[in-house]
Amino acid sequence: SYELTQPPSVSVSPGQTARITCSGDALPKKYAYWYQQKSGQAPVLVIYEDSKRPSKIPERFSGSSSGTMATLTISGAQVEDEADYYCYSTDSSDNQVVFGGGTKLTVL
Amino acid sequence: EVQLVESGGGLVKPGGSLRLSCAVSGFTFTDAWMSWVRQAPGKGLEWVGRIKSKTDGGTTDYAAPVKGRFTISRDDSKDTLYLQMNSLTTEDTAVYYCTTLLPDLWGRGTLVTVSS
Repeated sequence: SYELTQPPSVSVSPGQTARITCSGDALPKKYAYWYQQKSGQAPVLVIYEDSKRPSKIPERFSGSSSGTMATLTISGAQVEDEADYYCYSTDSSDNQVVFGGGTKLTVL
Repeated sequence: EVQLVESGGGLVKPGGSLRLSCAVSGFTFTDAWMSWVRQAPGKGLEWVGRIKSKTDGGTTDYAAPVKGRFTISRDDSKDTLYLQMNSLTTEDTAVYYCTTLLPDLWGRGTLVTVSS
């Protein structure tokens, strides 16, 4: 079955740039989406269709995709950005939605 | 105000069944593709399956671990989504969320615990 691969953890200091990657064979043809989930809360969409940002999401969040890898970038990460981040996409036939394993972002 | 409210979770024995409901308000349910996503304790998000809108065929797709055991249905007259879960195992223990995925609308989740 189709899989999306993320690093388990990323750690940065406040104000630094955090990059979280998501790799999958179908990503050259399928959009990547990114969710932020803080402890005990429902997920919140931070990036959709590779690089679009919902209006309520701060400008420091951006996304890109090249080849089989999508990247979520948080420029000038803040302590409040500490959370788990999940990419998701679909397989090549659009029959399966798949989440990556999640990346725990630590900002300290 | 948009609301998705899951219900029906609880404790069930291995091999048992449970039906979850998700009552929706504040958006046009009939046009929405609806998914169930679960999260086991301390684990990541896992897509369970989805149902398309009736205008898009109303068909369902399922993740491999639940295919053949879980069934997603919808009642557009009641703005309600369902998840029928059969042959439950301890691996199915999780918080179950209903969501549109796009747009970004989620319920608060309902906990299903499978234990003897």
